[in-house]
Amino acid sequence: AQSVSQHNHHVILSEAASLELGCNYSYGGTVNLFWYVQYPGQHLQLLLKYFSGDPLVKGIKGFEAEFIKSKFSFNLRKPSVQWSDTAEYFCAVSPYSGAGSYQLTFGKGTKLSVIP
Amino acid sequence: NAGVTQTPKFQVLKTGQSMTLQCAQDMNHNSMYWYRQDPGMGLRLIYYSASEGTTDKGEVPNGYNVSRLNKREFSLRLESAAPSQTSVYFCASSEGNREDTFGSGTRLTVV
Repeated sequence: AQSVSQHNHHVILSEAASLELGCNYSYGGTVNLFWYVQYPGQHLQLLLKYFSGDPLVKGIKGFEAEFIKSKFSFNLRKPSVQWSDTAEYFCAVSPYSGAGSYQLTFGKGTKLSVIP
Repeated sequence: NAGVTQTPKFQVLKTGQSMTLQCAQDMNHNSMYWYRQDPGMGLRLIYYSASEGTTDKGEVPNGYNVSRLNKREFSLRLESAAPSQTSVYFCASSEGNREDTFGSGTRLTVV
């Protein structure tokens, strides 16, 4: 079974600082990779996803992530954070299959607090 | 608006009581899922339904049952609630090789 590890439990940054959240997964086959964001009191929303192709993927709100297959990593980055980025961020992986459902395995999440 | 609708949004149960969480999606997705979210644990899959008429256990199925009533609806039942089932429950749906779309969640407290 696959697993996802997020290295940081809580990250505190000042506005305009750069962000990088680590995510590593363990799975021997092809995977689909996701980053979700959960703003306080809300449900999860998709930030970005990687299925295939260019390993550098861009998402909403200026976020991007890079898939490094050799390192089993999918780190999330943003050049300059804003107070409104305060949220919890979840990395998720699903094994690639030709058909059927795609069960997501989530990391435990990283809370980001941005100080104005 | 299209999406995943969960009811109720909040619920308090006494230990031993039963209840059903409802979920409906209007995106014509084949697959539906129930997750629970606990602090520091991320989201864990309880049950999923790959398509209408099928259900399978996820990572943490004990104490729960599900019904895929039709393509739109997927309910989660707690037969005898326990304090360990205090959590936030999210329903989600997906189609093919695409990301899950999540509902707004049900906050359940078992006292």
